[in-house]
Amino acid sequence: RKEVEQDPGPFNVPEGATVAFNCTYSNSASQSFFWYRQDCRKEPKLLMSVYSSGNEDGRFTAQLNRASQYISLLIRDSKLSDSATYLCVVNPLPGNTGKLIFGQGTTLQVKP
Amino acid sequence: EPEVTQTPSHQVTQMGQEVILRCVPISNHLYFYWYRQILGQKVEFLVSFYNNEISEKSEIFDDQFSVERPDGSNFTLKIRSTKLEDSAMYFCASSERRSFSNQPQHFGDGTRLSIL
Repeated sequence: RKEVEQDPGPFNVPEGATVAFNCTYSNSASQSFFWYRQDCRKEPKLLMSVYSSGNEDGRFTAQLNRASQYISLLIRDSKLSDSATYLCVVNPLPGNTGKLIFGQGTTLQVKP
Repeated sequence: EPEVTQTPSHQVTQMGQEVILRCVPISNHLYFYWYRQILGQKVEFLVSFYNNEISEKSEIFDDQFSVERPDGSNFTLKIRSTKLEDSAMYFCASSERRSFSNQPQHFGDGTRLSIL
């Protein structure tokens, strides 16, 4: 099983749509979880951290299910500028050096 | 907003040569990292660095690679005897605290390394 697994997509949605991405991770001891966004040939940029109780930042909602080792990202009212690759990122062990494990990424294309 | 800066943005080198990739982390950050991304593949961890020493390194980070913080601001990745398969985007990142505390890492815009 891959350490962090995502559906690569692409997800093609119209503007204004709601889209959800899922991610699973293999190490049950993982402590920290993030969603990063990566535009083509650019650096990963932090979108949001993911907290156990779930958290929201504007149109973006992240959920964590530790029992199922599952993370989700919901984007409401999609904008053209949301087109990018969304990276599920996990810090795999407690007390380690901060190494981040990246998923392959899920590509989103928002169409007018 | 403070940012991580990397130079050069693109480095073209003959196979077998040595390259040094440079990074200036965010000034109050204490933890430094290098990652690489081969075209079309996922971002992979190379090494973490804290208190002037390597904290952890991946299997990729073999004797060909080394890191250094030569002064109070720069953080460098040296690749000796470059191979074709070293061609990738190399990202530097820094964080104020370790990521296990949900402290995110901030990435530089990368150096594209092309080995000919």
